[in-house]
Amino acid sequence: GQQVMQIPQYQHVQEGEDFTTYCNSSTTLSNIQWYKQRPGGHPVFLIQLVKSGEVKKQKRLTFQFGEAKKNSSLHITATQTTDVGTYFCAPGAGSYQLTFGKGTKLSVIP
Amino acid sequence: GAGVSQSPSNKVTEKGKDVELRCDPISGHTALYWYRQSLGQGLEFLIYFQGNSAPDKSGLPSDRFSAERTGGSVSTLTIQRTQQEDSAVYLCASSLTRTGNYGYTFGSGTRLTVV
Repeated sequence: GQQVMQIPQYQHVQEGEDFTTYCNSSTTLSNIQWYKQRPGGHPVFLIQLVKSGEVKKQKRLTFQFGEAKKNSSLHITATQTTDVGTYFCAPGAGSYQLTFGKGTKLSVIP
Repeated sequence: GAGVSQSPSNKVTEKGKDVELRCDPISGHTALYWYRQSLGQGLEFLIYFQGNSAPDKSGLPSDRFSAERTGGSVSTLTIQRTQQEDSAVYLCASSLTRTGNYGYTFGSGTRLTVV
């Protein structure tokens, strides 16, 4: 499967601050998926990006796919305590073996 | 069912014993995957089933691990002669399409502890 690197590994933010996690690949991706895993929970699918330069929004979450389709980002505006968890990116399609990044663990300080 | 169901939710076993973990995917989902997640770590791919095709076993860490999927539905992951390093949460996921274009739906996992 395709390998991706996620940064940062950990992020602590004050409630109300913004948060961004990045997912980088050395090869061109056909698409990328994002998942959220709450503490003690299982990964939950958030979104899939397919097109070069694609931007999708879900309320306070903004997902971007780079023009070269080698990187992606997830940005959360004005974090809330409900945003706590680990965010994983995963290159999808082209290979059914969905390889997950190591994730970014987000802590929100109230 | 409405979601991916895994059983048992927790399993404590003695080193050297065999264990069987069960996954019941979403009805109609042709693809089924097993992953392993050690404490605080990412997800490690184990095995993939697609319809009646031969499974992709490339992620299985050793020959003590095996899995089968009966009738294109329920899957069982078997670990023989368990070792302490097998302790982890074993997650099953299913998807509607081969490439998971609509995302993977994960079960709640089986937490395996080998003592």
